[in-house]
Amino acid sequence: EDQVTQSPEALRLQEGESSSLNCSYTVSGLRGLFWYRQDPGKGPEFLFTLYSAGEEKEKERLKATLTKKESFLHITAPKPEDSATYLCAVAKGGGNKLTFGTGTQLKVEL
Amino acid sequence: NAGVTQTPKFRILKIGQSMTLQCAQDMNHNYMYWYRQDPGMGLKLIYYSVGAGITDKGEVPNGYNVSRSTTEDFPLRLELAAPSQTSVYFCASSYSPVAGSGNTIYFGEGSWLTVV
Repeated sequence: EDQVTQSPEALRLQEGESSSLNCSYTVSGLRGLFWYRQDPGKGPEFLFTLYSAGEEKEKERLKATLTKKESFLHITAPKPEDSATYLCAVAKGGGNKLTFGTGTQLKVEL
Repeated sequence: NAGVTQTPKFRILKIGQSMTLQCAQDMNHNYMYWYRQDPGMGLKLIYYSVGAGITDKGEVPNGYNVSRSTTEDFPLRLELAAPSQTSVYFCASSYSPVAGSGNTIYFGEGSWLTVV
C-alpha cells in the first residue's frame, strides 16, 4: 500500500533558525512528488514538484530535494510569515490522483 | 483570475439532510477532484473527473455523488448527511494528469461542513 509519512508533525523555530522537514514515501512507480503550503482556513498552495532522485528546486527561503525514498523541504533563515502547514504528496502510475501525507505544522517565532 | 471557486464556505447540516457543494474553475482544466481533510489526517480523494461526462471514485466515495456536465463545474452531492461527513472539503483542478507532466493540482479555498 502506498504510504506518505511526514515528520515532524509540528516544528517550532526561532526566526533565522534553519531546519528541514521530511517526507518519506513508499510507492511503486513514483511519477512526481509535490510540496504544498497550507495556511489556516485556506486551501493548499502549490510550491514544488520533483520528479527524479537528485532533483532540487528552490523558491525564496525554501529548497526541496528528492531521493529514492524521501524528500526534504529545507527552510533557510525562516521568517514568521513562513508559518504554515507544509504538505507532501505523491503521484504514481497514470497520475490522476495525489496521495497526501498528514503535514508538518511549522511555527516561526520572533 | 478566480481559479477554483467553492460555495458555500460554511454550512451546518442536520443528520439525514442533503446538500450540494458547488465547485467551478475558470482555468479550462480537464481534470477536477474533490478531497476531504479531517484533523490529523491527510487529504483523501472522494471523486474525480477527467472530463465532462466522466467521473470515477477515489478512496472515500461512500455517501457522496458527483456529476460533471460541463468542463467548468463539478458539484459534490451529500445524500443523507451523517456526523462522519463533518469535514473540510476541497475542490481542485488540473490541466492534465499530474504525473510527470509538469502540471499540478490547484485547490479551492475549502468548504467547512458540520453535520449535527
